[in-house]
Amino acid sequence: DVVLTQTPPTLLATIGQSVSISCRSSQSLLHSNGNTYLNWLLQRTGQSPQPLIYLVSKLESGVPNRFSGSGSGTDFTLKISGVEAEDLGVYYCMQFTHYPRTFGGGTKLELK
Amino acid sequence: EVQLVESGGGLVKPGSSLKLSCVASGFTFSSYGMHWIRQAPKKGLEWIALIYYDSSNKYYADSVKGRFTISRDNSKNTLYLEMNSLRSEDTAMYYCAKLASPGAYWGQGTLVTVSS
Repeated sequence: DVVLTQTPPTLLATIGQSVSISCRSSQSLLHSNGNTYLNWLLQRTGQSPQPLIYLVSKLESGVPNRFSGSGSGTDFTLKISGVEAEDLGVYYCMQFTHYPRTFGGGTKLELK
Repeated sequence: EVQLVESGGGLVKPGSSLKLSCVASGFTFSSYGMHWIRQAPKKGLEWIALIYYDSSNKYYADSVKGRFTISRDNSKNTLYLEMNSLRSEDTAMYYCAKLASPGAYWGQGTLVTVSS
C-alpha cells in the first residue's frame, strides 16, 4: 500500500502567518494517464472532511486562493498564505492513483 | 446543492451485521464512482471501499475485504455498505463520498459502534 507521511503532525500559527504542510508518498503518484491524483482535505472539529485541492494544485470551487498546492512524484506541499481562523483543523492528503486509496496521518493546525 | 445523507449506523454486538445507506442528491449519481471512508474515534481517515458508477468494479481495503460489500441502486440514488462479522475495531464514523473532482463531496457520516 502507498504510505503518505505528513509533516509536521501539529502546526502552531498566528492569524496572518503563512504555513506549509508536507506530504511525502512511498511511491510515485503519477498515474499512467499522466495525472497525479493527490488531494488535500480539511476537517474542522466535529465536521466531515471538506475537499480543498485536487490533482496536486487545483482548487475546489469556493476554496479561497490563499490555499495552494504544489509538488510532483512523491513530494507534495500545501501552503496557506495568511492563516485565518476558519482554517483551523486537521489537514489530510489523500492519493487515488493506486489501490487501495490512502490518506496521510493528518496535520493539526492550531493557533499559537 | 450536493447532498449525501448517510443512515443505518448504531450500536451492535461483535459478530453481528449492519447495512448503511447513503442517499445522494444534487448531482448525477449514476455517473460517478462512490466511496465509503471511515474514521475511528480520535483517529485519521481510512478508505474502505469504492464502487464504479455502473457497479462494474468494486474495490475494498484489506481490513474489510470478505466482510463488507459495497453496492448501489442508481434508480434510487443510493449507495450501500453491508457489513458482516463486525469487530470492535470497526467502530467508527462511516462517510460516503463522491471523491471525483471538481465537485468532490463528503456526507456528514453515520456512527457505528461495535461493543458487547
